[in-house]
Amino acid sequence: ETGVTQSPTHLIKTRGQQVTLRCSSQSGHNTVSWYQQALGQGPQFIFQYYREEENGRGNFPPRFSGLQFPNYSSELNVNALELDDSALYLCASSSRGQGGQTQYFGPGTRLLVL
Amino acid sequence: AQSVTQLDSQVPVFEEAPVELRCNYSSSVSVYLFWYVQYPNQGLQLLLKYLSGSTLVKGINGFEAEFNKSQTSFHLRKPSVHISDTAEYFCAVRIQGAQKLVFGQGTRLTINP
Repeated sequence: ETGVTQSPTHLIKTRGQQVTLRCSSQSGHNTVSWYQQALGQGPQFIFQYYREEENGRGNFPPRFSGLQFPNYSSELNVNALELDDSALYLCASSSRGQGGQTQYFGPGTRLLVL
Repeated sequence: AQSVTQLDSQVPVFEEAPVELRCNYSSSVSVYLFWYVQYPNQGLQLLLKYLSGSTLVKGINGFEAEFNKSQTSFHLRKPSVHISDTAEYFCAVRIQGAQKLVFGQGTRLTINP
């Protein structure tokens, strides 16, 4: 069974730039959720994708957007990067109707905005 | 809206001692409860979960947790810790039918030899 993978592992960008982070879900899972974890904090929910559509969103501005592909992999896009966007971005996959939709996390992408 | 409070930001214990990490939540509806562990520079690993049934749940690495509905708590315990248990531990809740996990601020467990 393949776990959740994310790429890249680390990324450095400058303020105002755009970034794309990628996530491959665990085999058998059809739902992907994205979280932002600032240093010293718990993860905060950004949004979830199911059947290639956004299915719930946290308190994040529209410059945070995403996609889900037919193979259930997903991308997180952030436009007009701000210094406060520096964080660990975590992707989690789950399966609707199974195990309480338990979310399994990838290793994360650490983004630094200068 | 639901919220999660982890009552201790840091817990230092000696190796082979027991430990309890406390978690309280607030929600007016039924929830699912989770504990995740995060080792340095890594993602989150699921330790255990409560979905329904027995209120005492056992997880990986010898951890267990007890769901107490009346006290809205889900404390994590281990009878004897090891150096390798040094990590950040996160309690999380999800309302049944909702999408997002709501996390606590985390508890840093430090094991001293």
